[in-house]
Amino acid sequence: GQQVMQIPQYQHVQEGEDFTTYCNSSTTLSNIQWYKQRPGGHPVFLIQLVKSGEVKKQKRLTFQFGEAKKNSSLHITATQTTDVGTYFCSLYNFNKFYFGSGTKLNVKP
Amino acid sequence: ETGVTQSPTHLIKTRGQQVTLRCSSQSGHNTVSWYQQALGQGPQFIFQYYREEENGRGNFPPRFSGLQFPNYSSELNVNALELDDSALYLCASSRRGSSNEQFFGPGTRLTVL
Repeated sequence: GQQVMQIPQYQHVQEGEDFTTYCNSSTTLSNIQWYKQRPGGHPVFLIQLVKSGEVKKQKRLTFQFGEAKKNSSLHITATQTTDVGTYFCSLYNFNKFYFGSGTKLNVKP
Repeated sequence: ETGVTQSPTHLIKTRGQQVTLRCSSQSGHNTVSWYQQALGQGPQFIFQYYREEENGRGNFPPRFSGLQFPNYSSELNVNALELDDSALYLCASSRRGSSNEQFFGPGTRLTVL
């Protein structure tokens, strides 16, 4: 089945540092979504990207979809302790959802 | 909060038993998906229901089955429980025809002993 690989698995940053997580696929993606799951919580939808080269921003978060639509990234500028959690990429294809394994972000105050 | 509710919150079963988990979708949502999330892993897609029919299925055996009701509530049934079925089970509702945005419930933590 379709797979998306996420790196890194873990990231520990000092508050104020930037953070980036990457999602890669061996096949062309029609869409990609990003979710955030706080410790002990459930995934919360952040955004969907569908266009080649698309860039979307939400305050300190910047989402990119690669030109070849085989990779995507989520970048957080100047992390805060509220950014702690696991970030997942996900895609929907042929009536199935596929989630990456996630990047767990820890922010030290 | 998303408006998606799940019950029960926690459940303990023994190997070989059967379990039914319940989900109430957000108002106006006609599609529900179920996921299994093991500790430290990403959600694994079990299946999706649309208009009360299974519309897509992940790599799970037939002992995982579901129902969707006319009021868009749904159930996940798991027969012949195995130890590896211990996980957080999440349901997510969405509206067919809009974006692929899913609204997740808080989950049911299932422990199989």
